Amino acid sequence: EAGVAQSPRYKIIEKRQSVAFWCNPISGHATLYWYQQILGQGPKLLIQFQNNGVVDDSQLPKDRFSAERLKGVDSTLKIQPAKLEDSAVYLCASSLHTLGRAWGTEAFFGQGTRLTVV
Amino acid sequence: GQNIDQPTEMTATEGAIVQINCTYQTSGFNGLFWYQQHAGEAPTFLSYNVLDGLEEKGRFSSFLSRSKGYSYLLLKELQMKDSASYLCAVVLTGGGNKLTFGTGTQLKVEL
Repeated sequence: EAGVAQSPRYKIIEKRQSVAFWCNPISGHATLYWYQQILGQGPKLLIQFQNNGVVDDSQLPKDRFSAERLKGVDSTLKIQPAKLEDSAVYLCASSLHTLGRAWGTEAFFGQGTRLTVV
Repeated sequence: GQNIDQPTEMTATEGAIVQINCTYQTSGFNGLFWYQQHAGEAPTFLSYNVLDGLEEKGRFSSFLSRSKGYSYLLLKELQMKDSASYLCAVVLTGGGNKLTFGTGTQLKVEL
C-alpha cells in the first residue's frame, strides 16, 4: 500500500514570498490533515478535511494560510506571504475514517515538507 | 482549553524498561494514540487506547485511565533504535474528532 506522498521535501524562501505544498493521501482515505511541526514541538493541527469539506480550521492563520482539497483526494496548503515564524515541517496525514470510531483506524503521516523562511 | 503534558526528555539504558507518561485535560475524549517519530522522519503509529486498561504489542504496551486523564507508554528490552521522540495524541470529540498532540518526549537510549 502506497503511503502519504508530499512534495517538495525541502523549500527555502524569503519572507513575504509565497509557497505551496502538495499532498496525496492514501487511496480511499476520507480524512486528510495538515499539521505544522516546529522544531522540538509536537505537531499542531492546521486544518482537517472530511472528503472535500473542511471540518476544522480553527488553528489555521487564515490571513496568510489557505488550503483546499480538490475532489476529495489531493490537497494543497499555501502560505502567502510567509513569515520567519512559519519555518517548520508541514506534515500531511490521512485516515480511512474519522478517528476514534474504531480500532485499526489511525492517521498515517507523510514525510513532510521542511520549510525555511529567511 | 486543551492540555496534554509529557516529559520533555528521558534517558534509559539499552535492555532496560522505560515508561513515558502522558496526562491530559481536554473537553471531550475519544481515544489516545502514541506515535514514534525519529529525527527528520514522519510520525509512525504505535498504539491506540479508547477503553481503560493495558494494550500490549510486542515490546510496546500502552495504558489508559480515562478517570485520571492519564496514559503511559511502556517500552521493554530497549534497543538503540528506540531513540526517538514519542508523541502522545488525544482524539477530541466534536468537529470531526481532532487529533491533538502533546509536545513529545525525546527518548535517548544509551549503552
